[in-house]
Amino acid sequence: DTGVSQNPRHKITKRGQNVTFRCDPISEHNRLYWYRQTLGQGPEFLTYFQNEAQLEKSRLLSDRFSAERPKGSFSTLEIQRTEQGDSAMYLCASSPYQAEQFFGPGTRLTVL
Amino acid sequence: QQQVKQSPQSLIVQKGGIPIINCAYENTAFDYFPWYQQFPGKGPALLIAIRPDVSEKKEGRFTISFNKSAKQFSLHIMDSQPGDSATYFCAATLNFGNEKLTFGTGTRLTIIP
Repeated sequence: DTGVSQNPRHKITKRGQNVTFRCDPISEHNRLYWYRQTLGQGPEFLTYFQNEAQLEKSRLLSDRFSAERPKGSFSTLEIQRTEQGDSAMYLCASSPYQAEQFFGPGTRLTVL
Repeated sequence: QQQVKQSPQSLIVQKGGIPIINCAYENTAFDYFPWYQQFPGKGPALLIAIRPDVSEKKEGRFTISFNKSAKQFSLHIMDSQPGDSATYFCAATLNFGNEKLTFGTGTRLTIIP
């Protein structure tokens, strides 16, 4: 399968715990995006990378959130001290330059 | 500030009918407008996209109509099938898709046999 992959697919955690998600983009896509989607809503932009450089962060991305893309390949999104309001589907997308974004299946986070 | 407004929120159409989903945007700098289809538990999948220099684009049974002066665009699904039942999102972005996507709130489409 050569699409965008995300792991884990589901994560249940207790409030206050840290969680980390991984995204593997389509090979040779230099742009990688993170979005968050809550039930009944469209995805909301969180941050994006061009290669290893983080070019933009949404104000939705509080200090508890951090994203990295070492070596411009896979990316990780970490949430520290999770809150119940962090429960959502976290989506990753990748694209080549000036082309469509292809989404992965998402990681569903539930914070108890 | 919601920059892309989508309607209706839900839509039920009989098989063979033509569901129409509408979107309106505010930022005149947007220059790329994709539509995504999402099934429960899956990520959004790109259906079709349009740039503002054309008024209509067709791909298979899916058609986008674009009205630049009204800042509106719509998705039409011809000969709809039960397998088209999904949530549809319009989106808009800058720099011909090279920037973040701003999504509408989604339309839950149900095609009844």
